[in-house]
Amino acid sequence: EAQVTQNPRYLITVTGKKLTVTCSQNMNHEYMSWYRQDPGLGLRQIYYSMNVEVTDKGDVPEGYKVSRKEKRNFPLILESPSPNQTSLYFCASNFRQAYGYTFGSGTRLTVV
Amino acid sequence: AQTVTQSQPEMSVQEAETVTLSCTYDTSENNYYLFWYKQPPSRQMILVIRQEAYKQQNATENRFSVNFQKAAKSFSLKISDSQLGDTAMYFCAFMKQRDNQGGKLIFGQGTELSVKP
Repeated sequence: EAQVTQNPRYLITVTGKKLTVTCSQNMNHEYMSWYRQDPGLGLRQIYYSMNVEVTDKGDVPEGYKVSRKEKRNFPLILESPSPNQTSLYFCASNFRQAYGYTFGSGTRLTVV
Repeated sequence: AQTVTQSQPEMSVQEAETVTLSCTYDTSENNYYLFWYKQPPSRQMILVIRQEAYKQQNATENRFSVNFQKAAKSFSLKISDSQLGDTAMYFCAFMKQRDNQGGKLIFGQGTELSVKP
C-alpha cells in the first residue's frame, strides 16, 4: 500500500530533551515536507526537501532540523524542544504538484 | 504572499442534504493549484478534490464538486447527499505552480463540518 509512515503517533516530552520524529514514504516521491497544525492557523510548512541532500526552510523553521540522506526518509529533529512546539505534526510527500500531497497520520507532540 | 481564507469556522448539515463550504484566496499568480483536504477525527489528512487554475471546468469527485471562480479568487466545495462519514474538518489549500519550495501548500484555517442524523 502506498503510504507515508510517521512515528510515533503520540509523544510527551520535557523541555530541552532532544527528539526525532521519523517519516518514511514508499512511493519514490522526490518532494517531502513537514507541516505543523495549530488551532485557528491551519497547517504551516516547517521544512521541505526536493530530493536527497536538498532541504530548505519553510515558513516556521525555528527550533527544527531535518535531513534527507535517503529518498524515502525525512526525519524531523527537535534539538531542544520548548512548550511552544506543542503541536500536531504531519509529514507529507508529493510526486507532482498537481496531484497534491499524501500525508502521514500525524504525530501529536506535547512538550511540558 | 499568498493567503487562504475560510470564513466559516463551523457548519452543520442534515444527513442527505447539500452543504457548501467557502474558500477565498489571494494571489498575484496566474498558474496554481487548489485543493480541498478532509481531516476526520482520526486526524488523517485526506485529499478530497483538486483543481488546476488553467482549467475552466469545475472538478467533481462523486458527491464532491467545486465552484471555481478564478476572477473572484473563490473556490467553494459542495457536498451533495451528505453522509455521517463526511463529519470532519475541511481545509482549503493553495499551491503555486512551479514552486521552488517543493510545492508548498498554503492552508486556510479550516471549517468544522458536522453532519447530523
